[in-house]
Amino acid sequence: GESVGLHLPTLSVQEGDNSIINCAYSNSASDYFIWYKQESGKGPQFIIDIRSNMDKRQGQRVTVLLNKTVKHLSLQIAATQPGDSAVYFCAEIPMNTGFQKLVFGTGTRLLVSP
Amino acid sequence: NAGVTQTPKFRVLKTGQSMTLLCAQDMNHEYMYWYRQDPGMGLRLIHYSVGEGTTAKGEVPDGYNVSRLKKQNFLLGLESAAPSQTSVYFCASRDSGGATDTQYFGPGTRLTVL
Repeated sequence: GESVGLHLPTLSVQEGDNSIINCAYSNSASDYFIWYKQESGKGPQFIIDIRSNMDKRQGQRVTVLLNKTVKHLSLQIAATQPGDSAVYFCAEIPMNTGFQKLVFGTGTRLLVSP
Repeated sequence: NAGVTQTPKFRVLKTGQSMTLLCAQDMNHEYMYWYRQDPGMGLRLIHYSVGEGTTAKGEVPDGYNVSRLKKQNFLLGLESAAPSQTSVYFCASRDSGGATDTQYFGPGTRLTVL
C-alpha cells in the first residue's frame, strides 16, 4: 500500500550546521513530492517540491533530493537557524489519484540549538 | 489576501454534541480538503471537494460530514462527537490549474471531546 515514512523522529543540530531530514516512500507511482514545515500551533507550511522527472531542486537555503531507485527523499537545510526548529513532513502524490491526494509521513522534529 | 482561515481555533465538546468547523479560502481555489492530525501521526484526509457542490470521502471519513455550498467555504460537521475525534483539524486548498500542486493549509482547529 501507500506509505511515506521517516527514518528519524527527532534531529538535533547546532545553529549554523547543515541539516538533513530523510524520508522513504513506497509508492513507485508517485510523481510529486512536497516538504512541509510545521511550527507549534500552526498549520503545515510549504517549503519546496519536486517532481519525479527531477532528482534535485534548490530553494533558498533548502535543497530536496529525490532518489527514485531506492524511493528516498531528503531535505537539506543549509546553515540551520533556530527559526528552523519545527516538525518537517514529507508528502507524496500518487499519479493515480485524480484529486491529488497527499500522503503524509509521520514527521521529523528538528531542534536547533543556539 | 488572508489565504486559508479556520474557525473556531479551539473547541471543547461533550460526547454526543454536534458542531461545525468552517474553512474559508480567498484564493479562488477549486480543491479543498479536511485533515485531522493526531499525536505521533501525520495528517490523514477526512473528506475533500473538487469544486462547489461536490464532496467525496477521504481516508478516515466515518463520523464526519462535509458541505461545499460556496466555492470559498468548506464545512466539516460532527453530528455526534466521540472522544476518538479529539484531534487537530486542518483545512487546505489547492488551485486546480496552477503551476504547482501544493496544498495551502489553514492554522488548524484544536478539538477536545470529553
